[in-house]
Amino acid sequence: QVTLRESGPALVKPTQTLTLTCTISGFSVSTSGMCVSWVRQPPGKALEWLGRIEWDDDKFYSTSLKTRLTISKDASKNQVVLTMTNMDPADTATYYCARIPSEAYCLGGFDVWGQGTVVTVSS
Amino acid sequence: DIQMTQSPSILSATVGDRVTITCRASQDIGSWLAWYQQKPGKTPKLLIYDASNLEDGVPSRFSGGGSGTEFTLTITSLQPDDFAGYYCQQYNPNSLWTFGQGTKVEIK
Repeated sequence: QVTLRESGPALVKPTQTLTLTCTISGFSVSTSGMCVSWVRQPPGKALEWLGRIEWDDDKFYSTSLKTRLTISKDASKNQVVLTMTNMDPADTATYYCARIPSEAYCLGGFDVWGQGTVVTVSS
Repeated sequence: DIQMTQSPSILSATVGDRVTITCRASQDIGSWLAWYQQKPGKTPKLLIYDASNLEDGVPSRFSGGGSGTEFTLTITSLQPDDFAGYYCQQYNPNSLWTFGQGTKVEIK
């Protein structure tokens, strides 16, 4: 069974750096075709794609956030990590990690999502 | 970046109705489009991928169509469980990915 689980701080202060971890079970982050994205959703608002990491360590980031985002993977822990710098109250949202099936090689819908983690940015 | 525009933003309907949601892309994305359903407080659920392929376990009353820049999600005979938010998402391999702004299907 494939599961993803996000973890990280629930509260961060403005200007701080947020680090979220997506712990994966059921497939390896090293599997050819692996593709994991981060998506967020501010309260009452739409889903926003943040970026993705692929099996060969290629990374792609939303244009509006690319200067603040880093996505990496740790094969030894089977995790994908999101780092977002210079946090602002506008970054308050539920953050999700989600995967595309490996056989799709990053060309498909997100079939498995984490449960989401709520991050509030406030002093 | 490719912009995805959904319409309508809110759709009022009754049980049994046939409803259609439209998603337009700002440039040609082929068939690289997915549709999701999201209920309040829940994670999104994949309904359709590659514009028209039904995800395993999704009821056949859901269908997707279109290609290029215009896409539709149709629900034939709306059921009580279908009142929810719906999002399109493009995953064009030659661009960054984006979601539409969402459509809320509410009880009329």
